[in-house]
Amino acid sequence: DADVTQTPRNRITKTGKRIMLECSQTKGHDRMYWYRQDPGLGLRLIYYSFDVKDINKGEISDGYSVSRQAQAKFSLSLESAIPNQTALYFCATSEGISYGYTFGSGTRLTVV
Amino acid sequence: GQQLNQSPQSMFIQEGEDVSMNCTSSSIFNTWLWYKQDPGEGPVLLIALYKAGELTSNGRLTAQFGITRKDSFLNISASIPSDVGIYFCAGQRAYGNKLVFGAGTILRVKS
Repeated sequence: DADVTQTPRNRITKTGKRIMLECSQTKGHDRMYWYRQDPGLGLRLIYYSFDVKDINKGEISDGYSVSRQAQAKFSLSLESAIPNQTALYFCATSEGISYGYTFGSGTRLTVV
Repeated sequence: GQQLNQSPQSMFIQEGEDVSMNCTSSSIFNTWLWYKQDPGEGPVLLIALYKAGELTSNGRLTAQFGITRKDSFLNISASIPSDVGIYFCAGQRAYGNKLVFGAGTILRVKS
């Protein structure tokens, strides 16, 4: 099993729909992150969590929300999807910044 | 927005050639990391650097932590087709609690 599992891998949804992307990890790390990847823009941080009771906004949190259900689970929601949220979304975990992040395989989301 | 300037944006090279890419910032960093992303997958850590001037190798990859602590470079020697992908630099600023990522370098290799 992968250390960081994201579901679904691909999703097409309609404008205005609510959608949830899920992430679970087996690394036992406290820190979890959600990133968005767009061509030419690299990885942009949406939300991050340093433990179950700690949730923080990243640089592009508008239009998104998160839930940290347990140490191992961190989900990202789009309350009302819009086409410019079409992107590749990555979840990551970390033991500490110096060790880097372990990324999931990503969810490719298309909003039509 | 992006706080790391990564260059070049893309490279299309002949198999066997050496590759060099770099990241610069106006801020001082405590840690530099280099990642590779294969098509359809998440980024995977290649090399981590923790001290100014540090030079670290991983197979055909060599990375250095700049003396000023504001830059880092990655070299790939004798490129092969499986080197294709996107390479990201990432850094932890002094007193920062998150990684900052560059925009990535897209590498394509002609065999």
